[in-house]
Amino acid sequence: DADVTQTPRNRITKTGKRIMLECSQTKGHDRMYWYRQDPGLGLRLIYYSFDVKDINKGEISDGYSVSRQAQAKFSLSLESAIPNQTALYFCATSDMDRGKEKLFFGSGTQLSVL
Amino acid sequence: DAKTTQPTSMDCAEGRAANLPCNHSTISGNEYVYWYRQIHSQGPQYIIHGLKNNETNEMASLIITEDRKSSTLILPHATLRDTAVYYCIVRVVNTGNQFYFGTGTSLTVIP
Repeated sequence: DADVTQTPRNRITKTGKRIMLECSQTKGHDRMYWYRQDPGLGLRLIYYSFDVKDINKGEISDGYSVSRQAQAKFSLSLESAIPNQTALYFCATSDMDRGKEKLFFGSGTQLSVL
Repeated sequence: DAKTTQPTSMDCAEGRAANLPCNHSTISGNEYVYWYRQIHSQGPQYIIHGLKNNETNEMASLIITEDRKSSTLILPHATLRDTAVYYCIVRVVNTGNQFYFGTGTSLTVIP
């Protein structure tokens, strides 16, 4: 969905490097999420944010940090990348519409840590 | 928090109905059933959701059993483009509860 943009699309880095993955959205949604997906597995929630001042840990937040710079921007950082953080990372947004909450995903960032 | 059980994989002939089951025997009264699908490493896409009544939209139908312990997603006329991983998720709407994706069902539509 072009309304949720992730950069970069692909990144190769070395162990110990600091990496930032960016996510921006033009949907005007308050809620934003970061997920990771490993081969053959489902998506696992890393962090989520319900608004600029609200940041929450997901099920696998260790080794990651986030920053919600504005309603439209939500960045994921790996302070010191390690090989088992090699994965496909997805950003998502959502809003509530008459009791219906839908997630809208970006195209993903493939991160490889060597 | 895996609250659902789905078959790992299924096949369906093109043009036939694809029926994807999901067990959620511990579902609570205020938890909805959501279905998403993911086509080959793209971001997952919302399909449908429901509480207790059957639901239908332009993509699919959702059949929920009377006791709500299981449901079935129906793609009425499967096409090759429906080949994807389908995720069944249960969660409470309008709370801090999050969408937790399991491993889903890998559906292959066969020509």
